[in-house]
Amino acid sequence: EVQLVQSGAEVKKPGESLKISCKGSGYSFTSYWIGWVRQMPGKGLEWMGIIYPGDSDTRYSPSFQGQVTISADKSISTAYLQWSSLKASDTAMYYCARRSSSWAGVFDYWGQGTLVTVSS
Amino acid sequence: DIQMTQSPSTLSASVGDRVTITCRASQSISSWLAWYQQKPGKAPKLLIYKASSLESGVPSRFSGSGSGTEFTLTISSLQPDDFATYYCQQYNSYWWTFGQGTKVEIK
Repeated sequence: EVQLVQSGAEVKKPGESLKISCKGSGYSFTSYWIGWVRQMPGKGLEWMGIIYPGDSDTRYSPSFQGQVTISADKSISTAYLQWSSLKASDTAMYYCARRSSSWAGVFDYWGQGTLVTVSS
Repeated sequence: DIQMTQSPSTLSASVGDRVTITCRASQSISSWLAWYQQKPGKAPKLLIYKASSLESGVPSRFSGSGSGTEFTLTISSLQPDDFATYYCQQYNSYWWTFGQGTKVEIK
């Protein structure tokens, strides 16, 4: 069974750093792109970027380029999303998702989400 | 970026109703459109891809149609489990974008 299991909720202060994770299982982790999606409180969905764990090829949405870093450790089938200096506006739910093998831009399995709260 | 606009933003319906949600793209996206369902506190779930292809395991009461700039998601007979928010998403070109969502509420 394909599963993406994300790390738990985080509460951080502005200026702190953070790295959240997404562990894949039940499939060949290195063969599928993983994407990250932001959902701010009460709002819609936004693509942040994607990574191919097989070779760490990474693409960022222009809105998030320079704001976050996406990485992966294929030895432990885990993708990451990290911030070096959080802002209150980073408060959101973050989802990872696996891209379909057949259709670029279609994501067929999703993690349960990681809630990040940034507050002083 | 390609802008995706859904209508209506909120829809009130009863169990058994036929429900249609519209999604319009700011430019042609051919058939590169997906639909997702999201329930409160849960991750999105893929329903439809390539505008009209039903994802495995999704009930056949869900269907999608359209091409170019105008698309629809139809639920033929609304069930209690279908009350949720629905998002369209284009994948014609980077960066992929979602519509703002349509919330289907109980009437």
